[in-house]
Amino acid sequence: QSALTQPASVSGSPGQSITISCTGSSSDVGTYNSVSWFLQHPGKAPKLIIFDVSNRPSGISNRFSGSKSGNTASLTISGLQAEDEADYYCMSHTTRSTFVFGTGTTVSVL
Amino acid sequence: QITLKESGPALVKPTQTLTLTCTFSGFSLRTRGVAVGWIRQPPGKALEWLAVIHWNDDKRYSPSLQSRLTISQGTTNNQVVLTMTNMDPVDTATYYCGNRPGYYDNYFESWGQGTLVTVSS
Repeated sequence: QSALTQPASVSGSPGQSITISCTGSSSDVGTYNSVSWFLQHPGKAPKLIIFDVSNRPSGISNRFSGSKSGNTASLTISGLQAEDEADYYCMSHTTRSTFVFGTGTTVSVL
Repeated sequence: QITLKESGPALVKPTQTLTLTCTFSGFSLRTRGVAVGWIRQPPGKALEWLAVIHWNDDKRYSPSLQSRLTISQGTTNNQVVLTMTNMDPVDTATYYCGNRPGYYDNYFESWGQGTLVTVSS
């Protein structure tokens, strides 16, 4: 299985909105509503911020939102803040009952 | 409160077998739908999913690493063990474990802090 494709980097100014894409195939993103997103600050473990395409765990800011269309899922961060600078990864369940991560996106706040 | 912690050797030699243990609390692997997975991250690189073991002992592996991986329940009810054979320097990475909370939950809700494994002679 191939890694899901994400842009290497995305940047925005404080207060702006940015969107990170996550492109897979009909064997993963396109088949299930089982896409999750993780945020990872340097030297830290990944943290779940979105599950099942668009659901937020308790305690996660509503500035984070997710969606999906066909084989591409997206994470939108609105009202960008300095603390949002991090690496972001998508993950999908697959038709083989395995999991696959995205290539990762570094978000910079200008 | 769910916690997970990875443990194992910090350094292994090429061709050796790596054994890592994930010790968890706050949930039971005997609960229907629950699973524990392993994920790794080479320095400066992306996350890579490795394996998962479910409450019913169903096991799934990364297709690219399947021949080298074995996941199993540990000697106690709150441990999961991952072994990886024939270690190579490219396997140098931080290894994480995470929990899948329920039957319809295809994500890892909580993660351990990770353990860095370096492969070098």
